[in-house]
Amino acid sequence: EVRLVESGGGLVQPGRSLRLSCEASGFIFDDYAMHWVRQAPGKGLEWVSGINWNSDIVDYADSVKGRFIVSRDNAKNFLYLQMNSLRPEDTASYYCVKVGELGATIYYYFDSWGQGTLVTVSS
Amino acid sequence: DIQLSQSPSTLSASVGDRVSVTCRASQNINNWLAWYQQKPGKAPKLLIYLASSLERGVPSRFSGSGSGTEFTLTISSLQPEDFATYYCQHYYSSSRYTFGQGTKVEIK
Repeated sequence: EVRLVESGGGLVQPGRSLRLSCEASGFIFDDYAMHWVRQAPGKGLEWVSGINWNSDIVDYADSVKGRFIVSRDNAKNFLYLQMNSLRPEDTASYYCVKVGELGATIYYYFDSWGQGTLVTVSS
Repeated sequence: DIQLSQSPSTLSASVGDRVSVTCRASQNINNWLAWYQQKPGKAPKLLIYLASSLERGVPSRFSGSGSGTEFTLTISSLQPEDFATYYCQHYYSSSRYTFGQGTKVEIK
């Protein structure tokens, strides 16, 4: 059974940094691209960032480009999101997601989601 | 970026009703479209991928159709556990991901 467990969320002041982690299990982690998706309270889903199996391909939403860095450690089965220069509009639940297909691109549908970790950016 | 527009935003229906949600893309995305269901306080769950392929374990009352720019999610007979918010998402390779704004299916 696929399991994705996020951690690292919390309350942080604007301008500060936070690193989210996602521990993956139940599948061959280094076979699949992984992504982060967020959801502001009461709002819809927003794709944040993605990374391919060997970290050769990474991509970011315009709203976080230059501030967030996605990475992975295939030896430990972990996905990370380093969030810098945080803004109040980054307040959201952040989900770690696995793509549903193997392939050369990172852009596939998401077949497994973690439970989410809440990040609140406020002074 | 490709924009997705869902309609309606809210849908009121009764148990046993047949309901449909539409998702329109701002440009041709072939059939690179997925549908998700989200219940309050929970993570989204994949229902349909490749516009019409049912994810394993999802009840057969859910179906997807369409290609190009117009897509539909249909629930053939609404069950109590189906009251939730539904999102479409494109995964057209040359463009970044976008989600629709969501359709809330509520009890009439």
